[in-house]
Amino acid sequence: DGGITQSPKYLFRKEGQNVTLSCEQNLNHDAMYWYRQDPGQGLRLIYYSQIVNDFQKGDIAEGYSVSREKKESFPLTVTSAQKNPTAFYLCASTQDRYSYNEQFFGPGTRLTVL
Amino acid sequence: AQTVTQSQPEMSVQEAETVTLSCTYDTSENNYYLFWYKQPPSRQMILVIRQEAYKQQNATENRFSVNFQKAAKSFSLKISDSQLGDTAMYFCAQRAETSGSRLTFGEGTQLTVNP
Repeated sequence: DGGITQSPKYLFRKEGQNVTLSCEQNLNHDAMYWYRQDPGQGLRLIYYSQIVNDFQKGDIAEGYSVSREKKESFPLTVTSAQKNPTAFYLCASTQDRYSYNEQFFGPGTRLTVL
Repeated sequence: AQTVTQSQPEMSVQEAETVTLSCTYDTSENNYYLFWYKQPPSRQMILVIRQEAYKQQNATENRFSVNFQKAAKSFSLKISDSQLGDTAMYFCAQRAETSGSRLTFGEGTQLTVNP
C-alpha cells in the first residue's frame, strides 16, 4: 500500500538535545512538507522540498533543519535552538509543485520536551 | 501573502442534520485552489473536498459540498445528513498557483456531531 509513514509516533526529548523525526513516502511524490500543529492553531509550515536535494524555509523554520537526499525521505531535526518544541508534527507529500493535487499526510509524531 | 480565516472555533450539530462551516481567505492571486481537510480524533488528515478558483461550479463530494463566493473570498463547507463519524477538526486551506505547492491553513473548526 502506498502512503506516508512517520516515526516514532511519540517522542520525548530532554532540553538541550537535538532530535530527528522520520518521514518516508512510497508514493513517488516530488514534493514533501513538514508542518507543526499546536492546540487551537492551524498547521504551520516549517520546511518544504519540491525536488530532491533542494528545500526551502517555511513560515517557522527557526530551530529546525531538514535534508532531502532521497526522493522518498525528508527527515526533520528539531534542534536545541527551538525554544518551544513540544507539538504535533505532520509530514505531507504531493505529486509535484504544480496543479491542485492534494497533499497526503502521515499519521504524525507527538514530540514532548521533558 | 495568503491568509485563511475560520471564525468558528467550535460547532455542534445533531445527527442527520445539516451544518455549514465558514472560511474566508485573502489573496492577490487570480488563480488558486481551495481545500477542506478533516482531522478526526486519530489526527490523520484527510482531504474532504477541493475547488479550483477559475471554476464557477461549486464542488460536491457525496454529503459534502462547498459554497464558493469568489468576489467575497468565501469558501464554506456544507455537510448534509451529518454522521457521528463526521466529528473532527476541519481545516480550510488555500494554495496559490504562484506559491508553488505551499498550502496556507486556517485555524480550524472543531465539529461535534451529537446522537
